[in-house]
Amino acid sequence: AQKITQTQPGMFVQEKEAVTLDCTYDTSDPSYGLFWYKQPSSGEMIFLIYQGSYDQQNATEGRYSLNFQKARKSANLVISASQLGDSAMYFCAMRGDIFGNEKLTFGTGTRLTIIP
Amino acid sequence: DAGVIQSPRHEVTEMGQEVTLRCKPISGHDYLFWYRQTMMRGLELLIYFNNNVPIDDSGMPEDRFSAKMPNASFSTLKIQPSEPRDSAVYFCASSLSGGSNEQYFGPGTRLTVT
Repeated sequence: AQKITQTQPGMFVQEKEAVTLDCTYDTSDPSYGLFWYKQPSSGEMIFLIYQGSYDQQNATEGRYSLNFQKARKSANLVISASQLGDSAMYFCAMRGDIFGNEKLTFGTGTRLTIIP
Repeated sequence: DAGVIQSPRHEVTEMGQEVTLRCKPISGHDYLFWYRQTMMRGLELLIYFNNNVPIDDSGMPEDRFSAKMPNASFSTLKIQPSEPRDSAVYFCASSLSGGSNEQYFGPGTRLTVT
């Protein structure tokens, strides 16, 4: 079974500062993928970034980067130069790379509030 | 592309009534997922399809829930009879298979059962 743990229910960060959202995971799958999604107050789920368990480098997408530490089973999302529009819920998710398995397991999320 | 389309966006119904939620996935995607989101339980996968065939329905709460995908461009999630505890936001998502392919979510249907 797969499990995602997000231990920060809420975070307040000053605008323009960097923020790290924590995500730890547990799985017995030898290969897996990790995803981060953003859910603003409007409700839609927006994909942010992906990290494969065998990727040699940490993933980056614009202001988003993933601090992937495989031995620690952590996949923290780093947002640089935070903006007011970054205020939202953020979900970490994982999927085992087993043929035919497309099931995503989500964490409970972290509510990020950016303070002007 | 228009993205994943869901209808209705909001549904208010009385306990005992039948509710049907609809989803049109992104063209060309071979996987379709139905999720439910509540404050208490978070985001839960209910069922997913591959090429219109149900693959995993272990998340379907009980027999009151059923889902169908008659063709590659349409899926329904039906609740009959509905109960107040079914009140939630129901998301449909679609994706291509495997690797780094992310799931694209629809805007969701907010269901309220009174």
